[in-house]
Amino acid sequence: EDQVTQSPEALRLQEGESSSLNCSYTVSGLRGLFWYRQDPGKGPEFLFTLYSAGEEKEKERLKATLTKKESFLHITAPKPEDSATYLCAVQDMDSNYQLIWGAGTKLIIKP
Amino acid sequence: NAGVTQTPKFQVLKTGQSMTLQCAQDMNHNSMYWYRQDPGMGLRLIYYSASEGTTDKGEVPNGYNVSRLNKREFSLRLESAAPSQTSVYFCASISPGGYGYTFGSGTRLTVV
Repeated sequence: EDQVTQSPEALRLQEGESSSLNCSYTVSGLRGLFWYRQDPGKGPEFLFTLYSAGEEKEKERLKATLTKKESFLHITAPKPEDSATYLCAVQDMDSNYQLIWGAGTKLIIKP
Repeated sequence: NAGVTQTPKFQVLKTGQSMTLQCAQDMNHNSMYWYRQDPGMGLRLIYYSASEGTTDKGEVPNGYNVSRLNKREFSLRLESAAPSQTSVYFCASISPGGYGYTFGSGTRLTVV
């Protein structure tokens, strides 16, 4: 059964304190792994898609990496505006449409 | 502004009442989706529509029906609301071959 587990559930950092969020997944074959950002009261906002182990993508202070079992979202020198819930999802090779979502990591950056 | 528009933003229903959640996108996307989001759980797919005229069940379809009215609009109907359907509902769309969903801002539904 396809499964996605995100850790930690919540993470509090000081402004400028770098860290990483983890997304562990189990699928029979990976079509793609996706990272989204969700602000309170809003819908998820697309950040990255990763397709194969070893792939990396960057956007401002965020960098996503992928292995065969997990993905990391690295946050370098975060700012308070990076505070949000970060969601991870995977798509199985056998699925054309359905994503399996993790419960998310709530990130709080204190000034 | 281009994107996905959901109405209403908030709704309180009594058990047994019915209602329809509306969703419209103006990006000419073929595929549209309805998700529910509950605390401590990942988003769960209720129904999806791969293209105009087609709909399919997702992970949690019981108690819901959908209509793909045209390419722009995809509605979700609760025929007889139950407290277990208290949730935040998101509509999303995606272009062919694309993996980045565009989500609406959600409908927060409470069933009492």
